[in-house]
Formats: sequence, structure tokens, C-alpha cells
Amino acid sequence: GESVGLHLPTLSVQEGDNSIINCAYSNSASDYFIWYKQESGKGPQFIIDIRSNMDKRQGQRVTVLLNKTVKHLSLQIAATQPGDSAVYFCAEKLGNAGNMLTFGGGTRLMVKP
Amino acid sequence: GAVVSQHPSRVICKSGTSVKIECRSLDFQATTMFWYRQFPKQSLMLMATSNEGSKATYEQGVEKDKFLINHASLTLSTLTVTSAHPEDSSFYICSASRGIDEQFFGPGTRLTVL
Repeated sequence: GESVGLHLPTLSVQEGDNSIINCAYSNSASDYFIWYKQESGKGPQFIIDIRSNMDKRQGQRVTVLLNKTVKHLSLQIAATQPGDSAVYFCAEKLGNAGNMLTFGGGTRLMVKP
Repeated sequence: GAVVSQHPSRVICKSGTSVKIECRSLDFQATTMFWYRQFPKQSLMLMATSNEGSKATYEQGVEKDKFLINHASLTLSTLTVTSAHPEDSSFYICSASRGIDEQFFGPGTRLTVL
């Protein structure tokens, strides 16, 4: 989900359905990518990461897919639960930028019971 | 492990005053700490990167004399917003790194300048 200005894109899903959140990253030299979850009034929480030498990585209920050809990253959440409602950000790290991260615009996920 | 705290969690101050925000890594030594600012419904914007014992590196457009960063130890970094104005009202978030890729984020500090 790309976001410009003051409006976060919103994804609304039914509880139990799968969610897919997308992110277009900016730099083809980025070698490390992270998905964060941010609940209202809180700091970002690490969900899952992936390095550029991989195209898929799975965690518990979450999967990250990386397509370097089109500079696209996605987060798939299986069996979405109300507790998954939050804003999700992707972040990228350049290979020569130390630990500095660049965050994407964010997508708000709303889970309907 | 890898817990980062911030203090205070929220602060309200008058225009023209200075506010100090602390960021602590509670159970690890952080070689690098980062400060971000987040406006409502927007993403995190990096303000500066600080390494213990050296001067912070500020991002373009961030005034170093207004946002003073001190990283005096491997577990503490402070951000002081000097002469705060209403436009400085924001959510300030720090993160800490152990020197590998991942950053561990604090819970954020909500600053409101009246």
C-alpha cells in the first residue's frame, strides 16, 4: 500500500479471511526488508523480515514475498483476527546504509468481526 | 529481550519551552539509536542517527540546533526539543540497534505544544 499525504490506504477484511498488504519500495540497492505493525499510540512492532537473496519467508500466520524485479513486497496474514487491526509499514535498508531504515507509507488493516 | 523504553510517554508544554525525551535500551547495549517523528496518519520519518560518544547525524531538513541529541552511553539517548512550537507537536519514536540489521522500537512519546 502506497500512501501519499494524510490518507492511509485502508484494507478491510472479514475475520478469518486472509489479508494481503502490499508495498512498493524505492531503492533497488536495498538488501533487507522488514514489516512492522503499529497499533494506535504505540511504537512499531517487528513482524517479519526478509533479505534480498530470498523471495519468500514464512512465520507464524504471516508470509512475506519479495519481488525484486518490480521492487514489490507483500505481507500475507492468514486467518486474520481482530487483534491484527493496526497500521502496517514496510521498511527497507540499503546495503551500504548501516542500520538506517526507510519506511513506506503504511496501510491500515481493519478486521471486521 | 531487546526492550526499548521511552520517557515520558506523553508531554504537554507551552510554546517556547524545551522538552527532553529519553530513550533507553533496557536489556542490551545499543551501538546506534535512531530518532523518528510521526505525524498523524503518516509514516515514520527519520530525524537523526546517533552513535554512542559521537555527534548525531541529522537528516536533511532537521535542524540540529532545535533537536538536540545526546547519546552519552550505550543504553541512553536523549532528544531535546528546544523552544518548542505548536508545529513541533508530533509522536516521537526512538529505536535502538545492537549493530545488526534489526532496530528495536520504543513505545513513542506524544508531544503537544500549546
